[in-house]
Order: sequence, then structure tokens, then C-alpha cells
Amino acid sequence: DARVTQTPRHKVTEMGQEVTMRCQPILGHNTVFWYRQTMMQGLELLAYFRNRAPLDDSGMPKDRFSAEMPDATLATLKIQPSEPRDSAVYFCASGPRKTSSYEQYFGPGTRLTVT
Amino acid sequence: AQSVTQLDSQVPVFEEAPVELRCNYSSSVSVYLFWYVQYPNQGLQLLLKYLSGSTLVKGINGFEAEFNKSQTSFHLRKPSVHISDTAEYFCALGGGFQKLVFGTGTRLLVSP
Repeated sequence: DARVTQTPRHKVTEMGQEVTMRCQPILGHNTVFWYRQTMMQGLELLAYFRNRAPLDDSGMPKDRFSAEMPDATLATLKIQPSEPRDSAVYFCASGPRKTSSYEQYFGPGTRLTVT
Repeated sequence: AQSVTQLDSQVPVFEEAPVELRCNYSSSVSVYLFWYVQYPNQGLQLLLKYLSGSTLVKGINGFEAEFNKSQTSFHLRKPSVHISDTAEYFCALGGGFQKLVFGTGTRLLVSP
């Protein structure tokens, strides 16, 4: 049963610290999406990649957030420095190679709390 | 611009009753529509999808949705809900470059 995995599942950190979230997409998928979910804003697309190249990161605060795909099996989202307003659940999703497919498979999320 | 509207933020219903969750969309290009479900403390899971063909789409867990082009709607239905269907439901529209445009979600609350 192929699944997207995310680590850590929970993270509590103090303001100003660096946070790194990791995602392993489903093997063979070539698109990766990062979302943030909060009660106030709902589900927001932060960035996405196709074939490891960033296609759009306009949803991401550039001064403190960065997203990368070092290889096809790992995507990372970093926040440096973290702020209390970054507290949210961060989801990674991956999609299959077929360019006409819009299916996305979500991981369980990383719940981030910044104090 | 493409957008998705879910008019109901919350829908309370009794167990074994039918339910309809409403979704309207706006798009000037080909329409691909999806419903996702999110159970508490979990990620989103694909319920069903409309890409082309039959306008009545069947998904998992007994859910179905009907694509109505003239009314720009893609409402989700289930004839008899269970307590375990309590969750948040998101309607989504294919937004180009494999992106999805999500609605704000509808919380389905099933009580005994």
C-alpha cells in the first residue's frame, strides 16, 4: 500500500528556531506539493515541484521559508527563523507522472507549534 | 480565474439519513473535479473524481457525486450516513499544471 510519509508528525519549537519537515512521495510520482492548513486560512498551497524542479512557490513567505527536493524520494520544507504565526499543520502530497492527472495523495501531515 | 465554493461550512445530520454537500465551481477551461475527505488528525483522502464521461461518479464509502455543467455544480451525496462519516469534506478543481484549487471545506457532523 503506497503512501506519502512525513516526518516528524509533531514538532514543538521556540520562536526563532529552524524547523525542517520531510516528505517521502509515493515511488514513481513526479509531482510534490506542500500545503499549510490552519483554522483561519484553510488549506493553502505553499509550493510544488515537478521532476524535482520548483514550478511555483508563490504561496510561500520567501524570507523565511524554503522548499527543496534533494532527490526523487525526499522533499523538504524549512522555516528559518520560525514564528508563532507559522503554527499549523503542513501537508505534503504527491501526484503521478501523467500530466493530465490532477490526483494528489496526501501524507498525514506535520503539526507544528511555535511558542 | 478558477474557484470553488462550498456554501455550507457545517452540515449536521442524523445517522442513516441522506446527505448532500454542495459544491459550485467557476472555470473557463476543461473541468476536472474532485472530492476529498479529511478525518480528524489525518491527511486528505481522495473520495471520487470527475474527469470526463458519465456525469454520475461513484466513489468510496458509498458516496457519489453528479457533475452538472449548466449549474456549474458537483454536489456530493450519500443515501445513508454513518457515524464514521463524520469528517471534513473538500471539493477541488483542477487548476492547471496539475494543481488543485480547493474549496473551504464542509464539516459533516453525524449524530446518533
